[in-house]
Amino acid sequence: DSGVTQTPKHLITATGQRVTLRCSPRSGDLSVYWYQQSLDQGLQFLIQYYNGEERAKGNILERFSAQQFPDLHSELNLSSLELGDSALYFCASTRTGRSEKLFFGSGTQLSVL
Amino acid sequence: DQQVKQNSPSLSVQEGRISILNCDYTNSMFDYFLWYKKYPAEGPTFLISISSIKDKNEDGRFTVFLNKSAKHLSLHIVPSQPGDSAVYFCAASANTGNQFYFGTGTSLTVIP
Repeated sequence: DSGVTQTPKHLITATGQRVTLRCSPRSGDLSVYWYQQSLDQGLQFLIQYYNGEERAKGNILERFSAQQFPDLHSELNLSSLELGDSALYFCASTRTGRSEKLFFGSGTQLSVL
Repeated sequence: DQQVKQNSPSLSVQEGRISILNCDYTNSMFDYFLWYKKYPAEGPTFLISISSIKDKNEDGRFTVFLNKSAKHLSLHIVPSQPGDSAVYFCAASANTGNQFYFGTGTSLTVIP
C-alpha cells in the first residue's frame, strides 16, 4: 500500500459527459501528480501541484483541469469526454516535488462509451 | 515525442536466469532515473533509482546501469523469480523539476 488513495477505482460514462477523479496523497506529501496511461502507451504526465499551486503542466488537454485543495487532496476534472479519453488515470505524490521517487495510487479506470 | 523509450514490449526469461530490461532516452538534461514495477490492477511501485553522477546502483537482486554517453540504462534482475513477472517502466527527469517522462513499459514473464 503506497498510501496514495484514488477514487473511484472504475468509472463508466458516456461521450460528452464530465467526471471528477479524486486523489488523496500520502500523509505529509505536498506534491501531487496526475498521469494518464492509455492502451499500449506509457504513463503520460498531465499536471503537477505543489502545496495548492500548479507547478508543472504536461500534455493536459484544455478539456481537462485539476486543482489541489488546502487539505492537499487533488481532483482531476475531465469534461466533454471523448472515446479516446478512456484510460487509466494515476495520481502520485511526493514530499517536496523535486527529484524524488513518485508514490502512485492504484488508479482510476475510465471507460467512455 | 517519446523522450524515454523501451523498445522491447515483452521479455520471457527462465526462473533463476538473468533478466535485462533496456531503456533509451533522448534528452541529455535528464539526470535522475527510476524503474517501476507494475502488477495488473495496481499502481506502479518504485523499484530502484540512479542519478547521473553514478553509472551503477545495486539493491539486492536488482541493479541499474547508466551509460550517459549512449543515453541508455538497463535493469538487471538476478536471479529472476516468477514473482518478478510484471510490467517494468523506466522514467527520467531533469533537475529543473520533478516531471518524470515514462517509457511504454516492458512486460516481463519469468517462467518457472
